[in-house]
Amino acid sequence: KNEVEQSPQNLTAQEGEFITINCSYSVGISALHWLQQHPGGGIVSLFMLSSGKKKHGRLIATINIQEKHSSLHITASHPRDSAVYICAAPLAGNQFYFGTGTSLTVIP
Amino acid sequence: KAGVTQTPRYLIKTRGQQVTLSCSPISGHRSVSWYQQTPGQGLQFLFEYFSETQRNKGNFPGRFSGRQFSNSRSEMNVSTLELGDSALYLCASSLGSRGFTIEQFFGPGTRLTVL
Repeated sequence: KNEVEQSPQNLTAQEGEFITINCSYSVGISALHWLQQHPGGGIVSLFMLSSGKKKHGRLIATINIQEKHSSLHITASHPRDSAVYICAAPLAGNQFYFGTGTSLTVIP
Repeated sequence: KAGVTQTPRYLIKTRGQQVTLSCSPISGHRSVSWYQQTPGQGLQFLFEYFSETQRNKGNFPGRFSGRQFSNSRSEMNVSTLELGDSALYLCASSLGSRGFTIEQFFGPGTRLTVL
């Protein structure tokens, strides 16, 4: 069982749609990261959060520590949002675990 | 401020050879972490260095090693390459004093192909 689970694995949306990607983890964590990876491999850190909610432009990340769950929302999605979104968390023993990623395609 | 740089960007080796990859962190960052990304296993944590000391280590065999220099630049070495070592190797840097509870800045990666 993966310590960090993501869903859905693949997601196709029409431009303008509201998108939600979910991440759940099995043990207590001190922080959770959301990453974006474009074709070609470059990874950008979108958010690092340990509680509550953070917003950056059209992106919103929330975390519920008690339920061990985080969500990444994209409002008014755009084709340039097409990428793989990955959640990651430092777990017991200071290992850094990654979700399997959600491949998002936004169609014009 | 310059970002994280990795060299080389692409590398082709044959089984049994060894390889050294280099990562230069953002100026002022003292932590460098290394990750392996493959289609089958996704992203996996290799190790993290802080102030020239390995602070954390993932579940990889001893063929994978690394080091960090006094200027925070880091190298990772893979000895006796296997076909399964073909992957994108990414490094990330951070200010580092608080481990993975602060933002990580990723380099572009080195794509290693083992033939």
